[in-house]
Formats: sequence, structure tokens, C-alpha cells
Amino acid sequence: DVKVTQSSRYLVKRTGEKVFLECVQDMDHENMFWYRQDPGLGLRLIYFSYDVKMKEKGDIPEGYSVSREKKERFSLILESASTNQTSMYLCASSLPWSSGSYEQYFGPGTRLTVT
Amino acid sequence: AQSVAQPEDQVNVAEGNPLTVKCTYSVSGNPYLFWYVQYPNRGLQFLLKYITGDNLVKGSYGFEAEFNKSQTSFHLKKPSALVSDSALYFCAVRDGGYQKVTFGTGTKLQVIP
Repeated sequence: DVKVTQSSRYLVKRTGEKVFLECVQDMDHENMFWYRQDPGLGLRLIYFSYDVKMKEKGDIPEGYSVSREKKERFSLILESASTNQTSMYLCASSLPWSSGSYEQYFGPGTRLTVT
Repeated sequence: AQSVAQPEDQVNVAEGNPLTVKCTYSVSGNPYLFWYVQYPNRGLQFLLKYITGDNLVKGSYGFEAEFNKSQTSFHLKKPSALVSDSALYFCAVRDGGYQKVTFGTGTKLQVIP
């Protein structure tokens, strides 16, 4: 079974802090994704990566950056946390689209509260 | 651009009755369509997908979905609902020419005993 783990289930940070959310997958997947989930808005893509050191902006990249130094690890960085970044953050991974397998495998999520 | 709509925030159904969760989409190319389920305090789990072929696709836990190209819909169905099916359901779409998958806003399914 694919396993996607996220470093924290719950996180409380102060406004202005730099926040790191870590995601690790154990299935050698090329693609990795960061989403945020908010009630009434569903999942919105922040960034995705289709290879080590490669990244692409999603629909809401403002205020976020990412890092992928190793294939199994994809980090989301909030450079200066703000209260409007309070949300549930979900990491996912998948095989490359060219494989014909399109399912994304999700981690349990990190509920971040910025005060 | 690609988009997906789930017109119902919540669907209530009695246990044992058939259920339908609606989804419509908009793409410029060929649609790749997905359903995911999220149980409380859990990440999303893949249920089923339509890429090509038969318009009726079967997935996990007895769920199925019907692709209707003329109505641009991909409704999720189950013949007999279980209380354990109560969860948040997300429809998603990928336009064949794009890298990204776009998710809907989610529909909360409540199965009443």
C-alpha cells in the first residue's frame, strides 16, 4: 500500500512565523502535490512537483513556497504565516500521468492554526 | 480552463435506499474524471475513475459512476446506502492536456439509519 505521511496532524503557529510542513511518500512516486482544504471551497492546489527540484504553481501559490530535494519528500513553506492561512493542508502523490495511473494518494492532513 | 461543480452541499438518504451524488464538469479536451471520499479526520481516498471506454465505471465499496458526455456529468451512485457511507465526497477532473487536477467543493453524504 502507498503510504503518504505528514509531519504533524495539528500545528499552532503565530503570525509572522516561518512554517514548514513536511510530506513523505514511500512508493517512489514522481508527482507530489500540496492542497489546502477549506469548508465550502473544497481542495485547492497550492503547488505540485513532477520531479526532484521541479515545481509548478497551482491555483493559489501566493504566500507559499515549496522544496523537493529528494524524490520522496515534498515540503511546503509558509514564509510569514498569516491568519488567512489557517486551514487543513493535504499532501498527495501519484505516478506520472504517462503511466496511465491517475489516482492520487493522500496523507492524513495537517490542521494548521495561525494566531 | 477546467472546472468541476458539485451542486449539493449535503445529501441525505435513508439506509438501504439508492444514493446519487451529482457532479458536472467543464473541460476543453477529453475529461479524466475521479471520485474521492474523505472520512472524518482522514485524508482523501480514491473511489473510482473514468478515463475512456464504458460509460459506467465501478469502484470501491460498491460505488459506481456514470459518465454522460452530452450532459457533461459524472454522478456517483450506489444501489443501497450504508450508514458507514456517511462521509465527504469529492469529484475531480483533469483535462487531458493539463498537468493539474481540479477538485469540486465536496458533498457531505449523510445516511440516516
